[in-house]
Amino acid sequence: EIVLTQSPGTLSLSPGERATLSCRASQSVSSSYLAWYQQKPGQAPRLLIYGASSRATGIPDRFSGSGSGTDFTLTISRLEPEDFAVYYCQQYGSSTGTFGQGTKVEIK
Amino acid sequence: EVQLVQSGAEVKKPGESLKISCKGSGYSFTSYWIGWVRQMPGKGLEWMGIIYPGDSDTRYSPSFQGQVTISADKSISTAYLQWSSLKASDTAMYYCARRGDYCSGGSCYRGGFDYWGQGTLVTVSS
Repeated sequence: EIVLTQSPGTLSLSPGERATLSCRASQSVSSSYLAWYQQKPGQAPRLLIYGASSRATGIPDRFSGSGSGTDFTLTISRLEPEDFAVYYCQQYGSSTGTFGQGTKVEIK
Repeated sequence: EVQLVQSGAEVKKPGESLKISCKGSGYSFTSYWIGWVRQMPGKGLEWMGIIYPGDSDTRYSPSFQGQVTISADKSISTAYLQWSSLKASDTAMYYCARRGDYCSGGSCYRGGFDYWGQGTLVTVSS
């Protein structure tokens, strides 16, 4: 089973700042089948990025994904107030998927 | 409009059985994988398993293999997650989600979970 490790655990930033979130896999993720989700309290997760770098429908272009193999990054270019949330990466390249443990982006 | 609607919250006792549901609408239910995701109170997301309703091909995370059963009834566009004997540690929110596979340029690719149910809260307590 592929283990995903996200860092940092918590990111304290101000609105307007740039956020860089990391997701490292214990082995190569097949075909860059790596997704990023945003979850706010009391809500279901929302798909942001799939295929490591493709934005899901309706996702603002301040969200971008990059990476391949074992190292992936989610970048939020300028944080808006609604972006403060928990972010998860997920691999779905193997027969069974896995999630990272999450990164909380909080207001500084 | 694509929708996944899950069954309501459940309160059960340890040792009881339970089956929760996820009804899809607004798309071809048999053409997309449906996954189940656990979220224990205050914790992160855990990938439990996934089913292809078209032929009931099912995959389980090693952590959940033998602990739950995933099934689907394509005649009513509904996927299920069931337990034969609940434990207190099964207390969690359970989400179903559609894997948004797609085709482009003559090739087909797996997608992320693009549509989610609203979640079913399962509480197991004596």
